[in-house]
Amino acid sequence: DTAVSQTPKYLVTQMGNDKSIKCEQNLGHDTMYWYKQDSKKFLKIMFSYNNKELIINETVPNRFSPKSPDKAHLNLHINSLELGDSAVYFCASSLLGRTDTQYFGPGTRLTVL
Amino acid sequence: GNSVTQMEGPVTLSEEAFLTINCTYTATGYPSLFWYVQYPGEGLQLLLKATKADDKGSNKGFEATYRKETTSFHLEKGSVQVSDSAVYFCALKMETSGSRLTFGEGTQLTVNP
Repeated sequence: DTAVSQTPKYLVTQMGNDKSIKCEQNLGHDTMYWYKQDSKKFLKIMFSYNNKELIINETVPNRFSPKSPDKAHLNLHINSLELGDSAVYFCASSLLGRTDTQYFGPGTRLTVL
Repeated sequence: GNSVTQMEGPVTLSEEAFLTINCTYTATGYPSLFWYVQYPGEGLQLLLKATKADDKGSNKGFEATYRKETTSFHLEKGSVQVSDSAVYFCALKMETSGSRLTFGEGTQLTVNP
């Protein structure tokens, strides 16, 4: 059974379009995250939800809007896509604690043309 | 703020060579420390972790010791294999920061037969 799953795995779209990425975890965790990995492999936190409440909101354009319908799901919607949004987006989940391991999804490679 | 610095890559080794990837951190408080590995085309997997000073994390022949006095968490393996070729990320986690992971830049390791 996949612990953290994301769909789609690949997303190719035109500039200006709106797209969504979905994430689901079956680990019973209370906290979920979105990370962005750029072309140099650098990983940076974007958002985090704990029990469906937003707890981390980094300096991310307003075009990015996360939504957590329940503890097991965290979706990412992106409006008016730009070339610079091209990256790999990783979802992760964990319990909310300093020592708890975060488990990552397989990633969604977004390419904006 | 909190930060993680990894040795610059890429690192290229021959099979059975000894591996060290340096990692140092800056944190206000006592973080947990992690090493994640990313194989080509895949998501991140936890390799090992340590949650307090002097703890040693180990897995698959890799080891790292949490050194508070030098704020370091260097990754070592005595004899690398071709299958260890991947990108390795050092990361820290603080309870006070929403349990986000703060990553180092990543180190690309290539092991040649």
